[in-house]
Amino acid sequence: IAGITQAPTSQILAAGRRMTLRCTQDMRHNAMYWYRQDLGLGLRLIHYSNTAGTTGKGEVPDGYSVSRANTDDFPLTLASAVPSQTSVYFCASSLTTRENEQFFGPGTRLTVL
Amino acid sequence: GENVEQHPSTLSVQEGDSAVIKCTYSDSASNYFPWYKQELGKGPQLIIDIRSNVGEKKDQRIAVTLNKTAKHFSLHITETQPEDSAVYFCAASMGGGADGLTFGKGTHLIIQP
Repeated sequence: IAGITQAPTSQILAAGRRMTLRCTQDMRHNAMYWYRQDLGLGLRLIHYSNTAGTTGKGEVPDGYSVSRANTDDFPLTLASAVPSQTSVYFCASSLTTRENEQFFGPGTRLTVL
Repeated sequence: GENVEQHPSTLSVQEGDSAVIKCTYSDSASNYFPWYKQELGKGPQLIIDIRSNVGEKKDQRIAVTLNKTAKHFSLHITETQPEDSAVYFCAASMGGGADGLTFGKGTHLIIQP
């Protein structure tokens, strides 16, 4: 693994289903983030984690949850998917909360029908 | 919270000419301003950043300027090449990873051969 990986690459999901997007980084970064990208709206922060064991809400957290059991992994869960959650999801990480440079994963394209 | 406005949404320039993308931000507490390049189907990639204690930063053909008083910052690309074609995003942060980055809505840069 080099950098940040995300899985799956893409997914089509029926409304009401539960889905977990996976994110793993091997850079030993303390801070991790989830963004969604929608046409015309840019990237918006969903949730973040400053360090393992802590999480926080971003700009658009409703309908999403995260956990940070260890440094490397930061999964994003949609408990009951809705069509408005159709988007491209990007995971990112930064070395510490003081180091702002964020590195992004390749993204997961999610379609909710 | 922070609000970042980015202009133009689309910019078409002749190969070899310069391109300028402008952003404004709302929160005077913001102190970190990165620029990301996103190619089709990929995650954003940091190309240059500037902190509030610096007015200008240059890296080969790319430069960023920051006017803290006016709360705006700009990306300048000189001697544009076909591989510069992409979507560019500006962002602002108040420091630390806690709030993530607030992104502009992006500029689609098209380099005409």
